Order: sequence, then C-alpha cells, then structure tokens
Amino acid sequence: ELKVEQNPLFLSMQEGKNYTIYCNYSTTSDRLYWYRQDPGKSLESLFVLLSNGAVKQEGRLMASLDTKARLSTLHITAAVHDLSATYFCASGFTGTASKLTFGTGTRLQVTL
Amino acid sequence: EAQVTQNPRYLITVTGKKLTVTCSQNMNHEYMSWYRQDPGLGLRQIYYSMNVEVTDKGDVPEGYKVSRKEKRNFPLILESPSPNQTSLYFCASSLKWGFEAFFGQGTRLTVV
Repeated sequence: ELKVEQNPLFLSMQEGKNYTIYCNYSTTSDRLYWYRQDPGKSLESLFVLLSNGAVKQEGRLMASLDTKARLSTLHITAAVHDLSATYFCASGFTGTASKLTFGTGTRLQVTL
Repeated sequence: EAQVTQNPRYLITVTGKKLTVTCSQNMNHEYMSWYRQDPGLGLRQIYYSMNVEVTDKGDVPEGYKVSRKEKRNFPLILESPSPNQTSLYFCASSLKWGFEAFFGQGTRLTVV
C-alpha cells in the first residue's frame, strides 16, 4: 500500500526566507504531484513530475523528484505572504490500480 | 470556461437518508475521481473512473457508490449516510489517468 508522508505539517516563515517541504512515498511510483489549497477553497495543480531528476519551477516555487530516494521536494524561494496556503503532494502508480494517494498536507504561513 | 462543477456545495442530512452529490466536467476528460478531505488525514480517494462504464474502488470506498454512464458526469451516492461520512468531498477530473487533475469547489456534507 502506497503511503505518502509530508513534513513539516506546519511551517511558519518570514517573508524573504527560503524553505523546503519534503514528500516521501513508500513504494514504487511513476508520478508525483503538488497541489495548493487556500483556506476554504479547492485544490489547484502546481506541478506534475514524471521522471527521476525532474525539476519544475513556477515563480518562487520549485519542485523536484528523486525516484531512487522516493522523495520529492517543494522549495520556496524568498517567500511572500501570497504563498500562504496548504500544500499537498500526491503520488500515483500506473499498475493494477490507477489511484492517487495524498500526503496530509503542509500548512504554510508566511509572516511579514 | 473549463470547470468541474459539484452540487450541492453544502448539505446537512440525517442518518440513513439517501443522497447524491453530482459532479460534472466540461473538458471531455476520461479520468474522474472522488475524494474526501478530513482534518489531519489529507485527501483520500473514494472511487475513480478511467472512462465511461469503468469504475473502481479507491482507498475508502465503504458506504459509497458511483456510476459513470456519461463521460461528463460522475455522481457520488450515499445509500445510507452515517455521521462518520461527515466530511468535505471533492470531485476531480483529468484528461487521462496520470495527467494533472482539476478539482471541483467541494461539497461540505454533515450527517446528523
């Protein structure tokens, strides 16, 4: 059974600082996703990572995937208040079941 | 506008009273799925559908039913709701399995 763990669960950081959210998954996976959720809102897709070594960047967010370590990271550069949200990673495997398993989320709070 | 539409957005019901939450997408997506979101547990997949007439269980299917008679619609049926099904439910669709998912706005269900 695929398990996905994120850490930290809660992150308070100052504007302008850098930080990384980690996403570990337990078994073979061939795709990794990052989503953002604002309070009371739906989920918005940020990145889809499909291969080992994949790196994608959008603005101040950069995601990477290391399939050998079963680890994905979401790096935040020079945080701004607008990045405050909950970030989820999700992993899936196109095997006998095409299911997605989500992590429990990292709540990010960026303070002035 | 490309979107996933869920109805209703909010619902309070009593134990045992059958209900249906509708989900419709206008993007001609093949893959659709239902999730429930509970505090501290992230999102958990209930059911998914690879295409019309093809559905399968996710990680928490007990107490739920789905059908996929048309490509655009994927209703979630609770035949006999119980209080432990009180949750925030999301429908999502993607072009095919493995592509980024687009989420509906969510349905907050309370079973008393």
